[in-house]
Amino acid sequence: DAGVIQSPRHEVTEMGQEVTLRCKPISGHNSLFWYRQTMMRGLELLIYFNNNVPIDDSGMPEDRFSAKMPNASFSTLKIQPSEPRDSAVYFCASSLVRGSYEQYFGPGTRLTVT
Amino acid sequence: AQKVTQAQTEISVVEKEDVTLDCVYETRDTTYYLFWYKQPPSGELVFLIRRNSFDEQNEISGRYSWNFQKSTSSFNFTITASQVVDSAVYFCALTSTGANSKLTFGKGITLSVRP
Repeated sequence: DAGVIQSPRHEVTEMGQEVTLRCKPISGHNSLFWYRQTMMRGLELLIYFNNNVPIDDSGMPEDRFSAKMPNASFSTLKIQPSEPRDSAVYFCASSLVRGSYEQYFGPGTRLTVT
Repeated sequence: AQKVTQAQTEISVVEKEDVTLDCVYETRDTTYYLFWYKQPPSGELVFLIRRNSFDEQNEISGRYSWNFQKSTSSFNFTITASQVVDSAVYFCALTSTGANSKLTFGKGITLSVRP
């Protein structure tokens, strides 16, 4: 079975540009999580969805960040406009809501904003 | 509130040494799950093990073993006869059960295994 799929794997963009990160969770999983990892702040939960509904977006840093999950097999994290301090690795993870609770992570998207 | 503390930030050992990574957690829940994840230099986060709060049996998988003790709120991870490929950042995590559960991660321990 395919794991969590993220695209792109690497993104380099200029400050002010819009960035869209994509995630396809594991088939059958109904929870999806977006994380950001930096050296300074470690692993941070940005937002998570249950059954396509956003449950907790308290980790979203500011209004420049938005996330959607239009269906069970696709989610996006958008940054508009991007800033250099957004440079980080962004991970998507999925799990079962009522199951074993472990989250399976995608390979991450390394975002560099210049 | 839940909290996971990994007091060790960096550990360096020589190959074939045994090493224990400590994890201490705080939760008010009676039912919860504990996890360990590995993040090798390539960057992906790999799930290693899950343990629920009702199962205090130690787990062994090859060179890896885990010791869960509710009395001390600890879930420690031991690598026996470490190898260079064990070099990675290791995260301990905790979640309650329920529909809106989410993982609380520790800050991670960077393990370097030298040849």
